[in-house]
Amino acid sequence: EPEVTQTPSHQVTQMGQEVILRCVPISNHLYFYWYRQILGQKVEFLVSFYNNEISEKSEIFDDQFSVERPDGSNFTLKIRSTKLEDSAMYFCASMGQVVYEQYFGPGTRLTVT
Amino acid sequence: RKEVEQDPGPFNVPEGATVAFNCTYSNSASQSFFWYRQDCRKEPKLLMSVYSSGNEDGRFTAQLNRASQYISLLIRDSKLSDSATYLCVVNPRDDKIIFGKGTRLHILP
Repeated sequence: EPEVTQTPSHQVTQMGQEVILRCVPISNHLYFYWYRQILGQKVEFLVSFYNNEISEKSEIFDDQFSVERPDGSNFTLKIRSTKLEDSAMYFCASMGQVVYEQYFGPGTRLTVT
Repeated sequence: RKEVEQDPGPFNVPEGATVAFNCTYSNSASQSFFWYRQDCRKEPKLLMSVYSSGNEDGRFTAQLNRASQYISLLIRDSKLSDSATYLCVVNPRDDKIIFGKGTRLHILP
């Protein structure tokens, strides 16, 4: 069964450093998403991406964040200058065109020290 | 009213019992509705979509009440493996989805 994959599974970084989180969505999907979940809190939408551009972003997704689909398979989230409060689980998701059902990757746990 | 609201629980239910969760949503124009399940420190996994006519998948039944803006999930003959957090998810428009905070379920042996 096709699945969304994410790397790394855990990233530890120092405050102020840049991190890139990587995702490989399901191959025939066209819509891609990033979410985050701070420990003990709900899953929060960050950004959606379709047709090589951002279709929507939340207020969390400020200038420190960017997304890219550098090739036909990868979808990345970059945080330019990490803050302590960026520590969270980051989930990538993808969705096909036929039904509005999103499938999530296993997540990257980001720890900012 | 919050966009998507759920009782956080926890619901502590003996194995074999039936348990039901409700979820309310604020946007009356919402298009699609889903239940996801999330195990501790894992990703949300799609459990089932919720259709206007209600739908059933094995021990799980989902229903939608558009007039009252709530959806429900019923789990019959609960198993220990059903222990998880159940997330109500609403699609208010286009491809955006909004998660509720989730309801924690503990099935007791």
